[in-house]
Amino acid sequence: EAQVTQNPRYLITVTGKKLTVTCSQNMNHEYMSWYRQDPGLGLRQIYYSMNVEVTDKGDVPEGYKVSRKEKRNFPLILESPSPNQTSLYFCASSLFVVGSGANVLTFGAGSRLTVL
Amino acid sequence: AQSVAQPEDQVNVAEGNPLTVKCTYSVSGNPYLFWYVQYPNRGLQFLLKYITGDNLVKGSYGFEAEFNKSQTSFHLKKPSALVSDSALYFCAVRRGSYNTDKLIFGTGTRLQVFP
Repeated sequence: EAQVTQNPRYLITVTGKKLTVTCSQNMNHEYMSWYRQDPGLGLRQIYYSMNVEVTDKGDVPEGYKVSRKEKRNFPLILESPSPNQTSLYFCASSLFVVGSGANVLTFGAGSRLTVL
Repeated sequence: AQSVAQPEDQVNVAEGNPLTVKCTYSVSGNPYLFWYVQYPNRGLQFLLKYITGDNLVKGSYGFEAEFNKSQTSFHLKKPSALVSDSALYFCAVRRGSYNTDKLIFGTGTRLQVFP
């Protein structure tokens, strides 16, 4: 089954304790992205990657890091989590066809993170 | 700057009645518009998109959306709502150049369909 898999789905942690949320897709997609969803704010892009070793900041990158060493994986790293990073996080991927601009995103099921 | 607005936080409709979820956009150039749906405890799922051509776009689960250039709107519609349509709906617009594939999402509209 074509899918984007995120882990963990739920996590409660404490301020300052480094954590990684993994994301893996099995569709050979070039494009991958991380979003956070907060009430009243919709989805905001954190980081995205156009392909292996190519990453760039989204709208709210502060406090996050990413890497894209393999095409299928795009982990989100919180080096020193803070309570304002409590949120619902989504990873998404898509094929990337240059000039299309209308590629459809496939989303993971989400990771709910609470930072105390 | 590109943006998208969903003016209603929640829409309530009785089962069997038509539904509309509103979306307006602001883009420079031709808009690429999308609707996604989020069911409880699930990720977002693609419903439909508008790139060019016919202003009425048909998508999954019987949904359709009408692109209106003069009103800069892309409202989501369904002729007869089902209780199972109850979910959170997001409108999105592509921004940036054609080779960045970045989307701006609206704040979401919660659709509640009552039996």
